[in-house]
Amino acid sequence: DAKTTQPTSMDCAEGRAANLPCNHSTISGNEYVYWYRQIHSQGPQYIIHGLKNNETNEMASLIITEDRKSSTLILPHATLRDTAVYYCIVRTSGNTPLVFGKGTRLSVIA
Amino acid sequence: KAGVTQTPRYLIKTRGQQVTLSCSPISGHRSVSWYQQTPGQGLQFLFEYFSETQRNKGNFPGRFSGRQFSNSRSEMNVSTLELGDSALYLCASSLAQGAGTDTQYFGPGTRLTVL
Repeated sequence: DAKTTQPTSMDCAEGRAANLPCNHSTISGNEYVYWYRQIHSQGPQYIIHGLKNNETNEMASLIITEDRKSSTLILPHATLRDTAVYYCIVRTSGNTPLVFGKGTRLSVIA
Repeated sequence: KAGVTQTPRYLIKTRGQQVTLSCSPISGHRSVSWYQQTPGQGLQFLFEYFSETQRNKGNFPGRFSGRQFSNSRSEMNVSTLELGDSALYLCASSLAQGAGTDTQYFGPGTRLTVL
């Protein structure tokens, strides 16, 4: 079973920041937080991952709370092309399989 | 660098037949994982191959099998197809360098329909 809890759906106005929360209250010290997204019927796309510190790349920012029990994925300026299902995954180091939950369906509205 | 490629993209089979799907990983990636996605069960892990050996396996029946070749390309096979095998089959590759975490990158998937 997935170790994360995410809202089922969210809306965001185009051009605004999209903040997607994820709860992972049982996370262990050696577990990473990964985010993927899946645009309708395509393969999941890797977005970002982190262990303890906040992370930023060209797609998004990942904010992890100090106790590591929750995190937020931030898309700074959402566009219509960001409409997708976003998955938050907790995963140990190495090449353990990804365990997907149901994710959050983000709808970016013009 | 080219991404993960999967062939064919679409496939229609009938019950009882078998099917082979192919995956070419990103150049330099040594690990290939397979996932099945259905509307009812979501995305589920099938198995992972590294250095031509199955390293991890999900909870699927023996009708689902796979292999990896020396160039890291992988195939998965489903025998005696059932209607419930209709799904999007996804392949993901990763570097598998052994240290720290290892990000998986997905291909576009193969859409299998069993009639």
